[in-house]
Amino acid sequence: NAGVTQTPKFQVLKTGQSMTLQCAQDMNHEYMSWYRQDPGMGLRLIHYSVGAGITDQGEVPNGYNVSRSTTEDFPLRLLSAAPSQTSVYFCASRENGAYEQYFGPGTRLTVT
Amino acid sequence: KQEVTQIPAALSVPEGENLVLNCSFTDSAIYNLQWFRQDPGKGLTSLLLIQSSQREQTSGRLNASLDKSSGRSTLYIAASQPGDSATYLCAVNDAGNMLTFGGGTRLMVKP
Repeated sequence: NAGVTQTPKFQVLKTGQSMTLQCAQDMNHEYMSWYRQDPGMGLRLIHYSVGAGITDQGEVPNGYNVSRSTTEDFPLRLLSAAPSQTSVYFCASRENGAYEQYFGPGTRLTVT
Repeated sequence: KQEVTQIPAALSVPEGENLVLNCSFTDSAIYNLQWFRQDPGKGLTSLLLIQSSQREQTSGRLNASLDKSSGRSTLYIAASQPGDSATYLCAVNDAGNMLTFGGGTRLMVKP
């Protein structure tokens, strides 16, 4: 049981490049989400999904795209990277309802 | 909009001390509150989850309390150890689909 996994661990992009951050969970959780963590700002919700085929925006969705074709996977796409997207990105999952959230190890992204 | 505040932002204590970390939130209509631990450069590890109907939860040397009416939660760590050094985050689930995080308390336990 690997829990929540994220790849890559580190990534450097140039302004304007696109990329996809991968997230997978093997706990059959319906709810998955993406957060970004910035110094002095705490963690903020980017997008979330309550099940396959269903996604919605969080607090800071601009510049990011998501899809949920399977229960296990929830990739986050950066459409055109900007220096303001330099951050640490965390994926999380839980069962639908008021349950405990489990976080992945994070992806540290730098945009130059 | 829910706002979550953690005080103090940083704390340094000698090994063996009992300590209390504080978390306050502005909207008391919450589903649950979760405490996490984050080690430098690592992800978040869930420590305790308190449902809105509960007053406290305990796990080993950790005890978390919740007072919804006053918008406060505390994390009590008994007999602190150097291995407890980390950042502690509280997060409130108040809309079912989003956690609102506090800024964290950086704890250093000195041998």
